[in-house]
Amino acid sequence: NAGVMQNPRHLVRRRGQEARLRCSPMKGHSHVYWYRQLPEEGLKFMVYLQKENIIDESGMPKERFSAEFPKEGPSILRIQQVVRGDSAAYFCASSPRTGTFYGYTFGSGTRLTVV
Amino acid sequence: DQQVKQNSPSLSVQEGRISILNCDYTNSMFDYFLWYKKYPAEGPTFLISISSIKDKNEDGRFTVFLNKSAKHLSLHIVPSQPGDSAVYFCAANNAGNMLTFGGGTRLMVKP
Repeated sequence: NAGVMQNPRHLVRRRGQEARLRCSPMKGHSHVYWYRQLPEEGLKFMVYLQKENIIDESGMPKERFSAEFPKEGPSILRIQQVVRGDSAAYFCASSPRTGTFYGYTFGSGTRLTVV
Repeated sequence: DQQVKQNSPSLSVQEGRISILNCDYTNSMFDYFLWYKKYPAEGPTFLISISSIKDKNEDGRFTVFLNKSAKHLSLHIVPSQPGDSAVYFCAANNAGNMLTFGGGTRLMVKP
């Protein structure tokens, strides 16, 4: 009965490299949400996905960031050509259906450091 | 444009006393509010929530109060315990797909 699994826990990338963050939702959860926490700030919504569909990407930066949730496998948040400002903790949450925020379960996050 | 604000970055309380964490919001369309607790190196965990049609919700030692006219909510923890030491985030939703979080308040409960 594993919770939301995120990997890697820590990721170090040089400027210009690509970062791939993975999120496996809880069993039975088909809705995935990505949030970013910059140092000393709260969590900011990035994107909401269901299997094979991006439902709401209003919080995603327009360039370099993309997300997917394929039919099989984890959800992936991809950051191309990383810059120092991308250094943050990235959290994934899943829920069994939309709107049930008490059922919104977060993973432990991936801490991305860009050097 | 911070729609949800937690103006106290930190709070220190003696064990056994009451902890009161505050949160203000500006968007009158928010209709559901939640509090999350976060330990270092872990994800936020849900604590308690309240719908905008209520003004109070209680769960054990935790009570959330909502004052819609003031656009203010608060979380009361009584009695406070050392294990309650964590960062607390309030969050709000307006029937969309996302939560809007405040910046967090670090609570330290001293034994």
